[in-house]
Amino acid sequence: QVQLVQSGTEVKKPGASVKISCKASGYRFTNFGISWVRQAPGQGLEWMGWISAYNGQTNFRQKFRGRLTMTTDRTTNTAYMDLRSLTSADTAVYYCARGRLEWDFLDAFHTWGQGTKVTVSS
Amino acid sequence: ETVLTQSPGTLSLSPGESATVSCRASQSVVNNYLAWYQQHPGQAPRLLIYGASTRATGIPDRFSGSGSGTDFTLTISRLEPEDFAVYYCQQYGDSRGFTFGPGTTVDIK
Repeated sequence: QVQLVQSGTEVKKPGASVKISCKASGYRFTNFGISWVRQAPGQGLEWMGWISAYNGQTNFRQKFRGRLTMTTDRTTNTAYMDLRSLTSADTAVYYCARGRLEWDFLDAFHTWGQGTKVTVSS
Repeated sequence: ETVLTQSPGTLSLSPGESATVSCRASQSVVNNYLAWYQQHPGQAPRLLIYGASTRATGIPDRFSGSGSGTDFTLTISRLEPEDFAVYYCQQYGDSRGFTFGPGTTVDIK
């Protein structure tokens, strides 16, 4: 079955970067894009961006442009999210998610990773 | 970007009752690309409804979605104990980016 498994908990200092992985299985990795969504403690969901695993095309939420890098590795079927210049406001659980439609950016999130908790604290 | 508002913020109900959650968009949602998610504490969200009214795989038929344009509704008939959770709407029709509503908590009265 389709599965997304994320890397483990991270603790970072302000100003540092964090890189989270999302390993996909159960489907042809290059046929689908991966979105990244975060959730601050006690808050709602925030979409951050999307990357095509086929050609690396990206779409970003404007507020993350310049600070967020999304990549994929087709040899390991893994997507990565790298967020730089961390502040306490970046403390959140980060999720990767995938749609149902091949090749399509405009799709709901049918499959989610389990989430990666990132804490930013001095 | 398209801003989504949800009402009510909290709904206190008993098992067996029905729940109605509203989601309003600041502009028309393209192709009615509106989804609903359920989230329990400490868990990832789960997709319930996409395309405003299509149930996702494995979702019981007591969950239904309706609406178009800027006004959408999630209805849960005959609440089961596992339905007490937070519900989010999301629009995914805006190519500039996706947005979520602030969430509605359905808790036990």
